[in-house]
Amino acid sequence: AQKVTQAQTEISVVEKEDVTLDCVYETRDTTYYLFWYKQPPSGELVFLIRRNSFDEQNEISGRYSWNFQKSTSSFNFTITASQVVDSAVYFCALIGSSNDYKLSFGAGTTVTVRA
Amino acid sequence: DAGVIQSPRHEVTEMGQEVTLRCKPISGHNSLFWYRQTMMRGLELLIYFNNNVPIDDSGMPEDRFSAKMPNASFSTLKIQPSEPRDSAVYFCASCFLAGGPDEQFFGPGTRLTVL
Repeated sequence: AQKVTQAQTEISVVEKEDVTLDCVYETRDTTYYLFWYKQPPSGELVFLIRRNSFDEQNEISGRYSWNFQKSTSSFNFTITASQVVDSAVYFCALIGSSNDYKLSFGAGTTVTVRA
Repeated sequence: DAGVIQSPRHEVTEMGQEVTLRCKPISGHNSLFWYRQTMMRGLELLIYFNNNVPIDDSGMPEDRFSAKMPNASFSTLKIQPSEPRDSAVYFCASCFLAGGPDEQFFGPGTRLTVL
């Protein structure tokens, strides 16, 4: 069974603050893939990143960065110097190699960035 | 590329009516997914097609739901008869699966309201 937990339901910050979204996962597969998706108020789901289980390097893309730690089964996402346009629901998701199509989504974290 | 295209974007219908949601995946993708998003249950996979063949329909709620993929560029999700509890946002997603998971690209969704 696969499970993704996003313990933070809502986070509210003031513009330019950093915000970190937590993601903890469970899987019995030794090979798996982790994803983050963004759902802005307009409703579409936007792919942000995919990470393989055998690649623990952290990644930075502009103001976004991801911290993958297999030891704690976590794949956290940080937005640096947040902007109002970052306001959205962010979903962490997992695919295990035993079921290579089935995305298991977390419940999502709603981020509100206030001007 | 136009991305995944869904129609209609919004649908309001009365209980008991038939509803048909449509999806055009990204050209070249061999896998198509239908998801449902509700406040109570989050994002759920309804059905998955690979090379136009339904592989996993275990997420389809009941016999009132059916999905088809007559060719590589078109899929439908039908609800007959519709019920108020079917009100949700329905997403179609596509990707190219070849020996491992790939990021799924989501359409804009169809917001269904059943009165």
